[in-house]
Amino acid sequence: GAVVSQHPSRVICKSGTSVKIECRSLDFQATTMFWYRQFPKQSLMLMATSNEGSKATYEQGVEKDKFLINHASLTLSTLTVTSAHPEDSSFYICSASGQGFPYEQYFGPGTRLTVT
Amino acid sequence: GENVEQHPSTLSVQEGDSAVIKCTYSDSASNYFPWYKQELGKRPQLIIDIRSNVGEKKDQRIAVTLNKTAKHFSLHITETQPEDSAVYFCAEGGSNYKLTFGKGTLLTVNP
Repeated sequence: GAVVSQHPSRVICKSGTSVKIECRSLDFQATTMFWYRQFPKQSLMLMATSNEGSKATYEQGVEKDKFLINHASLTLSTLTVTSAHPEDSSFYICSASGQGFPYEQYFGPGTRLTVT
Repeated sequence: GENVEQHPSTLSVQEGDSAVIKCTYSDSASNYFPWYKQELGKRPQLIIDIRSNVGEKKDQRIAVTLNKTAKHFSLHITETQPEDSAVYFCAEGGSNYKLTFGKGTLLTVNP
């Protein structure tokens, strides 16, 4: 149980374009989804928290107009990196928690974004 | 949560030995302390967690201890195996359900 998928697993895009990453909970309803960024050999940095049907809450220093988050249903959240630049290249990972387990976060497999 | 310190950053043990990773936190309101294992290029996997109302929890070769007074918690892995090699992250969470992660420990189990 508590399986989270993420798509795509890898994406390469050109500077100035936008990229959408999907995060899905496959066998539970995710009341909350979280988006993290992870640099090589570093820890997980929380970018934003999203609850179904409401606006995402962004962490300090994260540009909400650049990293658009939509949590339209209890099983799907999307992160759109707008006007991507090479410095946005990173490993983006989502996680989800459910109504019966609000503390435990289960992670997706991550998306490796490379901006050329 | 505010800040989580994790030590050591790297740990190398012989197969069969025990491994201990320690974390300290600063937010006295924290009440949830999970440990994640992340293999290279893979997702973090929850391996064990503990709530603030207990001092110790064990699951086969893995155990976690919590000292709320001192604000530290530890992961103990006994009878280590090569497949235990990975990066381990501690984290702490509070009433807002957000997690703050430590910087990670690269554990290498030598056969």
